[in-house]
Amino acid sequence: DTEVTQTPKHLVMGMTNKKSLKCEQHMGHRAMYWYKQKAKKPPELMFVYSYEKLSINESVPSRFSPECPNSSLLNLHLHALQPEDSALYLCASSQEGSSGYEQYFGPGTRLTVT
Amino acid sequence: AQSVAQPEDQVNVAEGNPLTVKCTYSVSGNPYLFWYVQYPNRGLQFLLKYITGDNLVKGSYGFEAEFNKSQTSFHLKKPSALVSDSALYFCAVRDMETGRRALTFGSGTRLQVQP
Repeated sequence: DTEVTQTPKHLVMGMTNKKSLKCEQHMGHRAMYWYKQKAKKPPELMFVYSYEKLSINESVPSRFSPECPNSSLLNLHLHALQPEDSALYLCASSQEGSSGYEQYFGPGTRLTVT
Repeated sequence: AQSVAQPEDQVNVAEGNPLTVKCTYSVSGNPYLFWYVQYPNRGLQFLLKYITGDNLVKGSYGFEAEFNKSQTSFHLKKPSALVSDSALYFCAVRDMETGRRALTFGSGTRLQVQP
């Protein structure tokens, strides 16, 4: 099973709202990632968690707040977003080590900020 | 720093013909290379990877890729294209020298297979 699930599929929020994106994997992967993708562009890395600890933050604005409650779950908390934050948000996970390194992606959450 | 270049924004090919999607990379150490495909409004699907070993790598859905160290290339190929292969393709590299757990993606190539 190489499935990464993300909820919700679509989200519309105002600039003053607080919302959260959720990601889950049951592949035993110990690295999890958040990416932002604009239309027809490659994914841009936002955050990397390794063994439930934040290991990379790509200078993402503080209105995005990641959280890794356990090895299977990854959240992205959103607050006071701007219209330019509208994008597809992708979660991914990878095994790390000699058996892997490839990342498996979820279907994404399409976020619209109004 | 690591980087990937996909020189073609779009590749057009007739169904049944062979296809090639080009990718060149730049890393300071040993590259781990990947190809992903993305269908509209979907996440990325892993196709294949090169880590070490045979320069010709076989992946999902009949795709393969050839690693060429001297030309720093990792082109994606398929002997006979299907209309259903039409999608956005991304090449990605990970520099194992740095230990940084991150992929760098190319700009993407849209493959259009005409019936």
